[in-house]
Amino acid sequence: NAGVMQNPRHLVRRRGQEARLRCSPMKGHSHVYWYRQLPEEGLKFMVYLQKENIIDESGMPKERFSAEFPKEGPSILRIQQVVRGDSAAYFCASSPGWDRSGNTIYFGEGSWLTVV
Amino acid sequence: DAKTTQPPSMDCAEGRAANLPCNHSTISGNEYVYWYRQIHSQGPQYIIHGLKNNETNEMASLIITEDRKSSTLILPHATLRDTAVYYCIVRVEGKFYFGSGTKLNVKP
Repeated sequence: NAGVMQNPRHLVRRRGQEARLRCSPMKGHSHVYWYRQLPEEGLKFMVYLQKENIIDESGMPKERFSAEFPKEGPSILRIQQVVRGDSAAYFCASSPGWDRSGNTIYFGEGSWLTVV
Repeated sequence: DAKTTQPPSMDCAEGRAANLPCNHSTISGNEYVYWYRQIHSQGPQYIIHGLKNNETNEMASLIITEDRKSSTLILPHATLRDTAVYYCIVRVEGKFYFGSGTKLNVKP
């Protein structure tokens, strides 16, 4: 059973360009989370999605950032008009869902975005 | 935001047990405690989780106090490969909020 797959692993963008990060959850998982980690800092929650539905986007910056998890295909985190401050590691995690039985989320290896 | 507090760093001698504490005094009755670790530049790795009872798996043991206001992760025989940042997390409404974690340095 393959784990959470993220690509690209490394992405370089010039200021003003768009960055698209993809995440394929583990087989059987219908929930996806995105986290951002700035250098020397902890992971910050960004968004929590179910297929075709955003459950919670309270951690997403108000502008330039968007996320989707379509019925078919991977989840996409999209950053428009990137700035140097967007340079970070972006981690995706997946779970079978959330209920009160203590489901675990599993992380991918991350996508490192560098804005030059 | 994170509902947990952890010491910023700890040292442990190789081969000895590493005991990592975590305070979660505002935890609700149905909220689980999770532990993850992050080895430099890798994705966070799940270790263990629990609700009320102590838990053990092949990686670690989790001891939760009776009042559930704190817990301890125990790595029974730490190795150099256990050097990492360890995060204690209380899951809130399905979301995992990471605090600053504890940087565990395992020394030869």
